[in-house]
Amino acid sequence: AQKITQTQPGMFVQEKEAVTLDCTYDTSDQSYGLFWYKQPSSGEMIFLIYQGSYDEQNATEGRYSLNFQKARKSANLVISASQLGDSAMYFCAMRPGDAGNMLTFGGGTRLMVKP
Amino acid sequence: DVKVTQSSRYLVKRTGEKVFLECVQDMDHENMFWYRQDPGLGLRLIYFSYDVKMKEKGDIPEGYSVSREKKERFSLILESASTNQTSMYLCASSLQRYEQYFGPGTRLTVT
Repeated sequence: AQKITQTQPGMFVQEKEAVTLDCTYDTSDQSYGLFWYKQPSSGEMIFLIYQGSYDEQNATEGRYSLNFQKARKSANLVISASQLGDSAMYFCAMRPGDAGNMLTFGGGTRLMVKP
Repeated sequence: DVKVTQSSRYLVKRTGEKVFLECVQDMDHENMFWYRQDPGLGLRLIYFSYDVKMKEKGDIPEGYSVSREKKERFSLILESASTNQTSMYLCASSLQRYEQYFGPGTRLTVT
């Protein structure tokens, strides 16, 4: 069974600074996908970034990058130059290799950006 | 843009009532999902569907059923609502193995 662990229930970051949100996962699959989603107070889940287990380069999407360390089974999200609008819940999720498109989610990290 | 809509943002029901949560997507996605979200537990998959009339149980299907009669619509049914089903319910859809797109959620309170 897959498991996603996010060890930081809540974090503060100063506006314009970078922040790293931790995510570790546990799977016996060789092929899998890793996702990060953002959930603002409005409630809607917003897809941020994706990393495939066979991708050799870390994924980047604008200010978001995924620090993928396969041997350590970690997939940390890095947000550069934090903005006030980045304050939200962030969820890490994993899709097993051959099990359709089901996702297993971590418990989430609440990020608060201070002005 | 993909749009996933849910029938209600907030819902209050009494214990024992039958509850229907409706989800509609407009992008012809094969896959649709129902999750519940509880603080500290993240999102947990209740059911998913990969085609019309096809469904699979997720991690926590007990107390729930689903219906997918048309490709764009996926309904979650609570046959007899209980207080431990008070939660945020999120619907999502996706193409094959791509990212999932979520609706705004329904916050259900069962009293």
